[in-house]
Amino acid sequence: EAEVAQSPRYKITEKSQAVAFWCDPISGHATLYWYRQILGQGPELLVQFQDESVVDDSQLPKDRFSAERLKGVDSTLKIQPAELGDSAMYLCASSYLTGTLGANVLTFGAGSRLTVL
Amino acid sequence: AQSVSQHNHHVILSEAASLELGCNYSYGGTVNLFWYVQYPGQHLQLLLKYFSGDPLVKGIKGFEAEFIKSKFSFNLRKPSVQWSDTAEYFCAVKGIYGGSQGNLIFGKGTKLSVKP
Repeated sequence: EAEVAQSPRYKITEKSQAVAFWCDPISGHATLYWYRQILGQGPELLVQFQDESVVDDSQLPKDRFSAERLKGVDSTLKIQPAELGDSAMYLCASSYLTGTLGANVLTFGAGSRLTVL
Repeated sequence: AQSVSQHNHHVILSEAASLELGCNYSYGGTVNLFWYVQYPGQHLQLLLKYFSGDPLVKGIKGFEAEFIKSKFSFNLRKPSVQWSDTAEYFCAVKGIYGGSQGNLIFGKGTKLSVKP
């Protein structure tokens, strides 16, 4: 079964450092999402890509977070500088092209757990 | 803005007990509804989904959910739980606005612990 790949699985960093997470979606999935899941909460959307274009980044804290999907395949989410409140699980998900029925079903990766000390 | 409420934060059951997890959402238009499950140490997986048609949908592992439009609810049920159902369960809603789709909004999750 095809999977969404994410790395690293775990990252511990000190505040003010830079961190980066990588995601490789399922082949053929044009839409890619980054979610943040704080302990005890449900996932919250940070950014959505359609191919290489950002569709929605309204919830992305742009002063410190950035995301790119340069070739419309894999994606990187960066935090610089990291703050204590950024400690969370960062989830990547992908789906088929928005507007198609398959776009409604998101497949999630295992996530990258970030701890900021 | 859309929101999703899951009424129970933590549910503890014995094996063979029946399960019902509540989920309510706050959007009056057309919706797509989902339940995702996260087993310990694993990633979020789709349990079942409702797009249209029969409001009673069946998912994997004996789970089912019923969409009641008048109550804005999509409760998850299972007649007899097993220890292996221990997991966190997330209800999620996507609003459909004309020809476009909104974002997938998740509830806070319900942790289910099944005692052997």
